[in-house]
Amino acid sequence: AQKVTQAQTEISVVEKEDVTLDCVYETRDTTYYLFWYKQPPSGELVFLIRRNSFDEQNEISGRYSWNFQKSTSSFNFTITASQVVDSAVYFCALSELSNFGNEKLTFGTGTRLTIIP
Amino acid sequence: KAGVTQTPRYLIKTRGQQVTLSCSPISGHRSVSWYQQTPGQGLQFLFEYFSETQRNKGNFPGRFSGRQFSNSRSEMNVSTLELGDSALYLCASSLDPPGGGAADTQYFGPGTRLTVL
Repeated sequence: AQKVTQAQTEISVVEKEDVTLDCVYETRDTTYYLFWYKQPPSGELVFLIRRNSFDEQNEISGRYSWNFQKSTSSFNFTITASQVVDSAVYFCALSELSNFGNEKLTFGTGTRLTIIP
Repeated sequence: KAGVTQTPRYLIKTRGQQVTLSCSPISGHRSVSWYQQTPGQGLQFLFEYFSETQRNKGNFPGRFSGRQFSNSRSEMNVSTLELGDSALYLCASSLDPPGGGAADTQYFGPGTRLTVL
């Protein structure tokens, strides 16, 4: 069975500091997809990134960067120069393929990030 | 392009009643998935619909059901409501292009917050 672990329940950092959110996953499949979503207080899950299991290149998008390491089954998310608007709950999710192509997402328990002004 | 819309946004029901929630996917998206989010259980997959057919189902009792219409809009129904059904119900849509073989990104709506008294 697939599983996603986000060991950090809550993190607080002062504005402009860098912060890394950890994500460790378990799967028996060789083909899978990993995602990060942001959930602000409004409740809507906002898509941030998708990464497939064959692409281990790190990705940077503005202040956001992701480090995918299959050897340690981790997909960590770093925010540099954090801002108050980054305050939210962040979810890591795993999707395995089915015969249909699309499969359900298995989510971690989320990390609540608070940026202190 | 408009995002995923869900109605109603808030709902209060009493035990034993039934409820129907509605989801309109992003235009052109053919797959609709439903998730339940509670403080205790986190985000859990309910079911997924494609072309009016349920393709995948999570571990929820039969009181939870859904359907999808020819225009890809989806509804989920919960009968005989219990206190534990109080949750944020999130709908997600994805393009799910023909041919499968790749997990498509799911885009989420704002959710319906259901309170059962």
